[in-house]
Amino acid sequence: ETGVTQSPTHLIKTRGQQVTLRCSSQSGHNTVSWYQQALGQGPQFIFQYYREEENGRGNFPPRFSGLQFPNYSSELNVNALELDDSALYLCASSSRDRGKTQYFGPGTRLLVL
Amino acid sequence: GIQVEQSPPDLILQEGANSTLRCNFSDSVNNLQWFHQNPWGQLINLFYIPSGTKQNGRLSATTVATERYSLLYISSSQTTDSGVYFCAVNFGNEKLTFGTGTRLTIIP
Repeated sequence: ETGVTQSPTHLIKTRGQQVTLRCSSQSGHNTVSWYQQALGQGPQFIFQYYREEENGRGNFPPRFSGLQFPNYSSELNVNALELDDSALYLCASSSRDRGKTQYFGPGTRLLVL
Repeated sequence: GIQVEQSPPDLILQEGANSTLRCNFSDSVNNLQWFHQNPWGQLINLFYIPSGTKQNGRLSATTVATERYSLLYISSSQTTDSGVYFCAVNFGNEKLTFGTGTRLTIIP
């Protein structure tokens, strides 16, 4: 059973640019959630995808958007990057059919200059 | 929304010591997870424990759902136990709400 993977591991962008982060869910999982973790804080929920539809969203502006593909992998897109978007972005996969435990990937560290 | 508080915020212990980390939550939950975040940022699942007691080696956890708290026990601490410990809760399949974490430092 493969775990959750994310790419890239690190990324440097400048203010105003756009970024796409990718996540492959653990095999057998159909739900992907994205979280943002600023330095020194706990992860904050961005949104969740289930069966390719957004299923719940946290307090993030519309320039944060996502996709889930038929193989349950997912992308997080952020437009018009701001300095405060610098953070660790974590994706978690879970299965609605097999309980509620969420398993996290290693994260993508984004630095916006 | 649900509020999650963890205590203490920081804990420094000698190798071999025992520790207890606490997580208080403000509302009923049906999912509670404990995580260890290593220095590289990886969140490692420790326990899924919405109620009751579980043990895994030197770690154990207890959740008293009716009183809205959970405890994580670490016995015979090792330097590899250092890092930040988070509890996270939700009700349903949606977002996990994380606490602010406890930073544990184990000194050799």
